[in-house]
Amino acid sequence: QKEVEQNSGPLSVPEGAIASLNCTYSDRGSQSFFWYRQYSGKSPELIMSIYSNGDKEDGRFTAQLNKASQYVSLLIRDSQPSDSATYLCAVGTRGSTLGRLYFGRGTQLTVWP
Amino acid sequence: DTGVSQNPRHKITKRGQNVTFRCDPISEHNRLYWYRQTLGQGPEFLTYFQNEAQLEKSRLLSDRFSAERPKGSFSTLEIQRTEQGDSAMYLCASSAGQGATYEQYFGPGTRLTVT
Repeated sequence: QKEVEQNSGPLSVPEGAIASLNCTYSDRGSQSFFWYRQYSGKSPELIMSIYSNGDKEDGRFTAQLNKASQYVSLLIRDSQPSDSATYLCAVGTRGSTLGRLYFGRGTQLTVWP
Repeated sequence: DTGVSQNPRHKITKRGQNVTFRCDPISEHNRLYWYRQTLGQGPEFLTYFQNEAQLEKSRLLSDRFSAERPKGSFSTLEIQRTEQGDSAMYLCASSAGQGATYEQYFGPGTRLTVT
């Protein structure tokens, strides 16, 4: 069973702070890693993808991947109240299940003004 | 480029009834996925298609569930003899599936309530 674990939260940060979200995965064959944002009652929205070790920046978001440690994280700089949502980590593996994503349970983030 | 669309957005049905959901992927996306999400959980994979071929089905997909993607365009997910445990958000996603890019984009979902 391929597992994706996220810190359960909830995570609460003040406006303007850096929010740090973490995710670990069990399958060393994992090749693709994604962060989705999900507002209450809505569907997941893709915000970041990362495929190789290191950092990937997109605006206020930075994804970090360490395959040796089987760890992926998302940093949100200058957090805004509109960032308040559940953040889902998703992992894709190679092989016959190519395409299927395994999701964590999500970390609920609250950014207070 | 329009996003993934799903219909209906909400469905309330009585236990034992059959329901069918539709998903229209992003145009020219050849991969289409179905997931199910319950409260407090991440989406769980159900099945996926590459063009019209159904390439994988999760063990979560019991015999009461069937999915089709005729002509490789829209897809339908049917649940027969619904049970209260089927109450969930049913999510459809699509991806271009080219090279190493498997970025999946989700539709708005269909929320099913079985009474």
